[in-house]
Amino acid sequence: DVVMTQTPVSLPVSLGGQASISCRSSQSLVHSNGNTYLHWYLQKPGQSPQLLIYRVSNRFSGVPDRFSGSGSGTDFTLKISRVEPEDLGDYYCLQSTHFPYTFGAGTKLELK
Amino acid sequence: AVQLVESGGGLVQPKESLKISCAASGFTFSNAAMYWVRQAPGKGLEWVARIRTKPNNYATYYADSVKGRFTISRDDSKSMVYLQMDNLKTEDTAMYYCTAAITTVMDAWGQGASVTVSS
Repeated sequence: DVVMTQTPVSLPVSLGGQASISCRSSQSLVHSNGNTYLHWYLQKPGQSPQLLIYRVSNRFSGVPDRFSGSGSGTDFTLKISRVEPEDLGDYYCLQSTHFPYTFGAGTKLELK
Repeated sequence: AVQLVESGGGLVQPKESLKISCAASGFTFSNAAMYWVRQAPGKGLEWVARIRTKPNNYATYYADSVKGRFTISRDDSKSMVYLQMDNLKTEDTAMYYCTAAITTVMDAWGQGASVTVSS
């Protein structure tokens, strides 16, 4: 199975500040069709997860441009600029290139 | 608006069976791959199962941890997806989320169905 290593586990931030979360995979996430199926989700406290970024760098509908995704191969990053209160929660990366699909262990974004 | 509503969760004993359901609305259900994802108390997300659409022969895929015990199915006429869980173990205790790939992977999620396996 593809292991998704997500760091850091906890990320204290100040409102208005910037946050960066890393996700590394144990093997390349480039599919045979050339696409890279690496996605990012946010789970706010007490809520279901919601899709933020799909296929590395595409913001899902309604997601503010404060969120950006980048990376390739096995190394990916989610950046959040100008952190707002509604950004706090648990962030997960997901790979859907290989079966079984696997999530990172999560990063808790919290106030400093 | 897109809605996914899970039902059927509850408390069962080890080795028993349970079937949870998910009612979908607000999108063309027959065109969407459907998934189940679970989250054990205080833990992260774990993908459980996937079922594709009719043109893809309703192909199914499972996590190793549930293969042979869980069965995902769908009824396009009712816009429903199901997860039949047999021979349940205490480690299957979790919130089970129904998710859909409407425009891209797992872009809609339900509120979850709680399953507790305990003697």
